[in-house]
Parts: sequence; structure tokens; C-alpha cells
Amino acid sequence: AQRVTQPEKLLSVFKGAPVELKCNYSYSGSPELFWYVQYSRQRLQLLLRHISRESIKGFTADLNKGETSFHLKKPFAQEEDSAMYYCALRNTDKLIFGTGTRLQVFP
Amino acid sequence: NAGVTQTPKFRVLKTGQSMTLLCAQDMNHEYMYWYRQDPGMGLRLIHYSVGEGTTAKGEVPDGYNVSRLKKQNFLLGLESAAPSQTSVYFCASSYSPGDEQYFGPGTRLTVT
Repeated sequence: AQRVTQPEKLLSVFKGAPVELKCNYSYSGSPELFWYVQYSRQRLQLLLRHISRESIKGFTADLNKGETSFHLKKPFAQEEDSAMYYCALRNTDKLIFGTGTRLQVFP
Repeated sequence: NAGVTQTPKFRVLKTGQSMTLLCAQDMNHEYMYWYRQDPGMGLRLIHYSVGEGTTAKGEVPDGYNVSRLKKQNFLLGLESAAPSQTSVYFCASSYSPGDEQYFGPGTRLTVT
């Protein structure tokens, strides 16, 4: 069955520390994966997608088909990165979201 | 452009009452989605639509109905509200399934 797993509910780091938000997926076929972010009192919005291979706000994510992972990384966390992060997998006409990881960046 | 709007923003219902949540988008998107967001559960898809006049069930459709009579609107109905439907409801739309989904601001529903 298609599934997205985000094993960490909460990740706390200090400003300037590296960040890795884990995402593993289960999918038969060629996956399309996304990271969405929800900042406090803002709408959920797309952060990045694996197809575009972009770096957004210093974040990158590499699709690893062997490990079925799409971890989100940033070398130096900033306080404004504090938010809820969701990994999502496209399944035909819809997305399957993970349960989310709350990132807290302390000063 | 307003993007995706949701009405109402907040609502309190008593068990057994009914209500309709309205989602509207002005981006001419074909695809529209209704999600619920619960602590520890993430976003779960309730129903979705791939175009005007179409609807399909998502992961948690029980207790909800939807209609897409106009391309720009997607309505979510609760016929007989239950406390288990207390949640934050999000609507989203996209041009195609692989494109970015644009989300509304959410509706916070409490059923007592």
C-alpha cells in the first residue's frame, strides 16, 4: 500500500545547527514526492518537489529510491524555519501526506 | 486574485446538526480537495474532485458528502455532526495532480 512515514513528531535544534527531517515512502512505481510547510498562522504551502531539484530557503531534498526516502535537509537552521513540515507522495489524482514533523529552532 | 477561500473560518456545532463548508478558487483549477488536520494524524483526504460535476472518496469519507456543481466551488457537507468530526478542515486546489496544491486558510470546526 502507498504510504508516507515521518518518524519524528518533533525536532528541536539550535540556530545554526544542521537539520534533517526524515521521510520514507512506500510506492510501487516511479514516485513523485513533495515537501509542504505550514508556518504559524499561515497557509500550508509547497516548499519543494523532487522533480524540480531546487533549493528553496536553503532546503534541499534528494530522492533515494534504494532507501525509499526523501529527507529534507538544511545545513544551517534559522529561527524562521520553525514550522510544521509535511512530506507528500502523489498517488494518481491525489497526494498522500505524512503525519508531519514540527521543527523548532531555538536561538 | 484571492486564491483559495473557505467559509466559514470557525464554527461550533452540536451533535446531530448539519452544516456546509464552502471552498472557492479563482485560479481555474480542475482539481479540488478537502482534508482534515488532526494532531498526530497529519492531513487526511476526505473527498476530492477532478473536475466540475465529479467527486471521489478519499481516505476518510464517512460522515461527509461533497458537491462540485461549479468549477470554482467545492462544498463539503456534514449531515449529522459527531464529536469525532471536530477538526481543522482545509480545502486545496491544483491545475493537475502533479502540480502544487494551493491551500485555503482552514475552517476550525468544533462539535460538542
